[in-house]
Amino acid sequence: GAVVSQHPSRVICKSGTSVKIECRSLDFQATTMFWYRQFPKQSLMLMATSNEGSKATYEQGVEKDKFLINHASLTLSTLTVTSAHPEDSSFYICSASVAGVDPYNEQFFGPGTRLTVL
Amino acid sequence: KNQVEQSPQSLIILEGKNCTLQCNYTVSPFSNLRWYKQDTGRGPVSLTIMTFSENTKSNGRYTATLDADTKQSSLHITASQLSDSASYICVVSPGYKLSFGAGTTVTVRA
Repeated sequence: GAVVSQHPSRVICKSGTSVKIECRSLDFQATTMFWYRQFPKQSLMLMATSNEGSKATYEQGVEKDKFLINHASLTLSTLTVTSAHPEDSSFYICSASVAGVDPYNEQFFGPGTRLTVL
Repeated sequence: KNQVEQSPQSLIILEGKNCTLQCNYTVSPFSNLRWYKQDTGRGPVSLTIMTFSENTKSNGRYTATLDADTKQSSLHITASQLSDSASYICVVSPGYKLSFGAGTTVTVRA
């Protein structure tokens, strides 16, 4: 159980275009989903936290107009990188958790999406 | 500033040998400490989770220890296998927001 999927796993796009990444909890309903970014040989950096049906909370330094997050249902959250530039190239990872059920508040991570902007 | 520091940054071990990874943290308040395994190009996979009252927890050949007084944790890998080659990340949780260590890259060689 507790499987989180991401789609696509890899995407290459041209500079200036927008890219949408999907994060799905396959066998549970996630009250909260998190989006992380990871640069080579660095650890995960939290970008934003989203709760179903409400606006995402962005971390300091993350542009909310550039990284659009939609958490439309308890099993799906999307991250759209708008007007992508080469510096947005990174590994994007989502995670999902269920509040109030798991005493550890465990986050289950997706497999990640490798974004390359040319 | 909440910090999680891991050592060593990387290590190479021979297949079948044991190794121990270290994690020191200053995160406060403390809810739980987790160890994750992250294969290259993949998302992290949970190995162990411990609260402050738990001193040790095992998951197969992985054994984590926690000393909440000294704010130190270790992850011991027994009888390493080639598939253990990965980055091991120590994560401390004061609540729902996680504090990540930079990870230790383990390379197991035949």
